[in-house]
Amino acid sequence: AQSVTQPDIHITVSEGASLELRCNYSYGATPYLFWYVQSPGQGLQLLLKYFSGDTLVQGIKGFEAEFKRSQSSFNLRKPSVHWSDAAEYFCAVNTGTASKLTFGTGTRLQVTL
Amino acid sequence: EPEVTQTPSHQVTQMGQEVILRCVPISNHLYFYWYRQILGQKVEFLVSFYNNEISEKSEIFDDQFSVERPDGSNFTLKIRSTKLEDSAMYFCASSLRGLTNSPLHFGNGTRLTVT
Repeated sequence: AQSVTQPDIHITVSEGASLELRCNYSYGATPYLFWYVQSPGQGLQLLLKYFSGDTLVQGIKGFEAEFKRSQSSFNLRKPSVHWSDAAEYFCAVNTGTASKLTFGTGTRLQVTL
Repeated sequence: EPEVTQTPSHQVTQMGQEVILRCVPISNHLYFYWYRQILGQKVEFLVSFYNNEISEKSEIFDDQFSVERPDGSNFTLKIRSTKLEDSAMYFCASSLRGLTNSPLHFGNGTRLTVT
């Protein structure tokens, strides 16, 4: 079965600093990969997704993610973090044959001013 | 922008009671899902629903759970006899097409507390 690992439970960055959130997956083939963000009291919002093609994908709110097959990773990046980016971020995978997403445990991002 | 709406936002129930969580998916969407998130844990898939039937369910979704689309707009999750471990945030989601062709749109969730 596929699994998703987000090794960082909590990350704190200063506003304006760059950000990288790590995500590793375990699956025999290339899965479909997603990043979602959850603000307090809100549902999950899709930031970006990777299905195939260019391994660097652009998303909303200035986020991007890079798929690295050799490392089974799909790390999320942002060059300059804003205070409003403080939220919980979830990496998720779908194997393409099922109708479900498998989520990681999430990384809580705190932004200091 | 259209959104998925869930009611109530918070429900408290006693162990053994039945509870129904309600969702109104985006109107032209065809695929519907329930996920849950126990406090401090990951978001877990419960069930997917398409063409008026369950298309996939997880091992969590046992006989105590059922889903229904009683009319053209609502999508409900029923737990027949709640247990303490059912306490969680329950998220409804919908998509226009299958998961690999269109994104999931999530509601803001219903926090279920079983006492």
